[in-house]
Amino acid sequence: GDSVTQMEGPVTLSEEAFLTINCTYTATGYPSLFWYVQYPGEGLQLLLKATKADDKGSNKGFEATYRKETTSFHLEKGSVQVSDSAVYFCALRSNQAGTALIFGKGTTLSVSS
Amino acid sequence: GAGVSQSPSNKVTEKGKDVELRCDPISGHTALYWYRQSLGQGLEFLIYFQGNSAPDKSGLPSDRFSAERTGGSVSTLTIQRTQQEDSAVYLCASSLRASGNRNNEQFFGPGTRLTVL
Repeated sequence: GDSVTQMEGPVTLSEEAFLTINCTYTATGYPSLFWYVQYPGEGLQLLLKATKADDKGSNKGFEATYRKETTSFHLEKGSVQVSDSAVYFCALRSNQAGTALIFGKGTTLSVSS
Repeated sequence: GAGVSQSPSNKVTEKGKDVELRCDPISGHTALYWYRQSLGQGLEFLIYFQGNSAPDKSGLPSDRFSAERTGGSVSTLTIQRTQQEDSAVYLCASSLRASGNRNNEQFFGPGTRLTVL
């Protein structure tokens, strides 16, 4: 079945460091890919998404490119801030009607000043 | 409403008791999803509703788990005879439709943290 694998955390960085969180997937067909973020004490929020190969999703300085050839959707940010400290989830969804999101296990990011 | 709401935010119960978790989706959203977030398992899909019907119950872990949705709005997830392994955060999400539309974003509620002693 479909699955998502993302790098295990925690990831600890200093402010203004470069961030990469790796995500790879296994799926039939052409799923949509997502990054969700969960800030402390808050619910899951969609950070960015890409719906077809070579699409780049971006939001709040974060970017991820849908790479079909490597089945990857790595999350990157050039300069992290303390406020980026959160848990990040990579997810996919088949484009069949009503299908649920399939999530990776999450990566905890901690940014210190 | 402004967003997906869930109640209670926290629930502590004794092993063997039944619990009910409630989800209020965004007004007008026809699709509703339940997920479970537990340590070591990440986020797992439980059940999906389109309107009041549940075309996909494949993620329910056992027959102790059931869910219903009435009036195409509020949904209740019921866990009977709770076990310690049921301890988790239960998340609800809704989307405008359940079609294969690529732009059909799921919006999540804050979750209910269930602790079974």
